[in-house]
Amino acid sequence: AQKITQTQPGMFVQEKEAVTLDCTYDTSDPSYGLFWYKQPSSGEMIFLIYQGSYDQQNATEGRYSLNFQKARKSANLVISASQLGDSAMYFCAMREYNNAGNMLTFGGGTRLMVKP
Amino acid sequence: GAVVSQHPSWVICKSGTSVKIECRSLDFQATTMFWYRQFPKQSLMLMATSNEGSKATYEQGVEKDKFLINHASLTLSTLTVTSAHPEDSSFYICSATRGSLRNEQFFGPGTRLTVL
Repeated sequence: AQKITQTQPGMFVQEKEAVTLDCTYDTSDPSYGLFWYKQPSSGEMIFLIYQGSYDQQNATEGRYSLNFQKARKSANLVISASQLGDSAMYFCAMREYNNAGNMLTFGGGTRLMVKP
Repeated sequence: GAVVSQHPSWVICKSGTSVKIECRSLDFQATTMFWYRQFPKQSLMLMATSNEGSKATYEQGVEKDKFLINHASLTLSTLTVTSAHPEDSSFYICSATRGSLRNEQFFGPGTRLTVL
C-alpha cells in the first residue's frame, strides 16, 4: 500500500489566488513527521513546511500552511496568494520516527502551474 | 545554514565507464546522508542511507556493487556508479540530516547523469 498519496498529478491556479495540494498518508507509527518540498525545474528540493504528529496546531510558514487532519490522515498544503514563481513540482513526504529511522517516503508529486 | 552541495551538477559519460558524484554538507556535520534517484516526471526513490564510518544500507532492488557509496567523513559522501549503462541515466540527489529534533533532510541540488 502507498504510504504517501498525492492524487493530483497536475493543477492550475490563477496568480494571486490560493491553492490546496492534497496529501494523504498511511502509518501505524504514532510518532511521525510530514514534510512538503518544492522542486522547481532546476531540480533542487526546497523544504517548505513541517508538521509533527503531536503538534497541536497547523504549521504555517509565510504563504504556506498545512491543513493537518490527523483522523483523516491528511496533510494538505495551502499556498495563499499564488505567484508565478510557485510553478513547480510539490512533494509531500513522511518520516516515521519509530518504524523507519531517518528515512523519508515521498508521494508521487503534484505539478502546480500558476497562470498570469 | 544547512547547505548541501553536489558535484558535478551534470555529467555525460560513455557506457561502461564509472562516475563519481560527491555530496557535501557545507556548514554542518551530517549524521546521516541519503542518496535518491529520480526519473523524469517521477518522484524521488531512496537508493541508500549512509552513516559516517559504516556501510551504507541499500533499499531493496538497488545493486550495492553497482552503486558504491562511501561516507568518509561527517561532511562528505560519494556515490560511484560503476560500469554505467544508458538505463542508469537519471537525476541523482543527495540529502543530509544533522540530528535536529525533527531531523529534516537538506537536499543537494542534484546531479544529472546521462550515459551514452
